[in-house]
Amino acid sequence: DAGVTQSPTHLIKTRGQHVTLRCSPISGHKSVSWYQQVLGQGPQFIFQYYEKEERGRGNFPDRFSARQFPNYSSELNVNALLLGDSALYLCASSSTTSGNIQYFGAGTRLSVL
Amino acid sequence: AQSVSQHNHHVILSEAASLELGCNYSYGGTVNLFWYVQYPGQHLQLLLKYFSGDPLVKGIKGFEAEFIKSKFSFNLRKPSVQWSDTAEYFCAVWATGGNEKLTFGTGTRLTIIP
Repeated sequence: DAGVTQSPTHLIKTRGQHVTLRCSPISGHKSVSWYQQVLGQGPQFIFQYYEKEERGRGNFPDRFSARQFPNYSSELNVNALLLGDSALYLCASSSTTSGNIQYFGAGTRLSVL
Repeated sequence: AQSVSQHNHHVILSEAASLELGCNYSYGGTVNLFWYVQYPGQHLQLLLKYFSGDPLVKGIKGFEAEFIKSKFSFNLRKPSVQWSDTAEYFCAVWATGGNEKLTFGTGTRLTIIP
């Protein structure tokens, strides 16, 4: 079975641009969460979606948004990029049968210049 | 809001040494606790978890952790480390009945010297 897949792997953008990151959950998982991991820090929660509805939101500005599609895949959008948005963005999926166990993808490395 | 503290930023050990990585959390209610590991160049993987029951939980690769509720701690242990254990280790807490999110500590970088 395929794990959580994220695309693209790496991305370079300039300040002020917009970026869209994509995530496909493990087959059968209906919940997707997004995390930001800055170098030297633990992942920070951004959003959780379940059955296409937002279930949780972390302490991130409105420039960050996300959505989940009928096939449970998800997009994370970041507008008006800042240098500080440079980070590894992680997607995790989970199922109701596995409790709160989050299974992570390899992440998208975003560099903002 | 819940928070997680990992006391050791970088730990360096020789092979066969015993390991204990500290983790403390703050949250007044029921929690689910996790240790994740990130090997160089790889994605985050679940090492072990605690939901309820026996506070001593065993994970993959010989790791174990003990939940001590009175101390709000969930320390990770391994009796004898190997060079392949070199990785970043993250403690995380899910506060049941609270915000639906996983809160991570800052991580401990473990370096094993052959």
